[in-house]
Amino acid sequence: EPEVTQTPSHQVTQMGQEVILRCVPISNHLYFYWYRQILGQKVEFLVSFYNNEISEKSEIFDDQFSVERPDGSNFTLKIRSTKLEDSAMYFCASRRTSGSREQYFGPGTRLTVT
Amino acid sequence: RKEVEQDPGPFNVPEGATVAFNCTYSNSASQSFFWYRQDCRKEPKLLMSVYSSGNEDGRFTAQLNRASQYISLLIRDSKLSDSATYLCVVNIPGGNNAGNMLTFGGGTRLMVKP
Repeated sequence: EPEVTQTPSHQVTQMGQEVILRCVPISNHLYFYWYRQILGQKVEFLVSFYNNEISEKSEIFDDQFSVERPDGSNFTLKIRSTKLEDSAMYFCASRRTSGSREQYFGPGTRLTVT
Repeated sequence: RKEVEQDPGPFNVPEGATVAFNCTYSNSASQSFFWYRQDCRKEPKLLMSVYSSGNEDGRFTAQLNRASQYISLLIRDSKLSDSATYLCVVNIPGGNNAGNMLTFGGGTRLMVKP
């Protein structure tokens, strides 16, 4: 069964550094998402991406964040100048078509900012 | 008011018990509804979509009441492996229908004991 994959599984970085989180969505999916979950809190939407552009973004997704689909398979989330409060699990998700509402999540990248 | 509200639990039940979770959502524009399960420090996994007519998948039954903005999940004959956090999730489509951000409840924790 096809799955969303994410790398790395755990990233430790120092405050102020830039990190890139990588995702490979399910191959025939067209819609891509990033969510985050701070430890002990609920899952929060960050951004959606379709047809090589951002469709929607939340208030969390400010200028510190950017997304890119650099090739036909990868979908990345870049976080510039990381802060302690960026420490969280970051989940990538994908969805097949506009007629299908279900989103499938990758295993996540645990980001620790020290 | 929280957008998606759930009783955090925990619900402690013996194996074989029937357990029900409830959820309310505040945005009447919500179009799609889901239950996901999340194991500790893992990604949300789609359990089932919820349809207006109600739907069943094996031991799991989901109901939706749009008028009351209320969603439920019933688990019959609980197994030890059902122990997890159950997330009530609502989809509010974006203006161009490409966004489809998911809004998550805080989750209800279920612990099934032998």
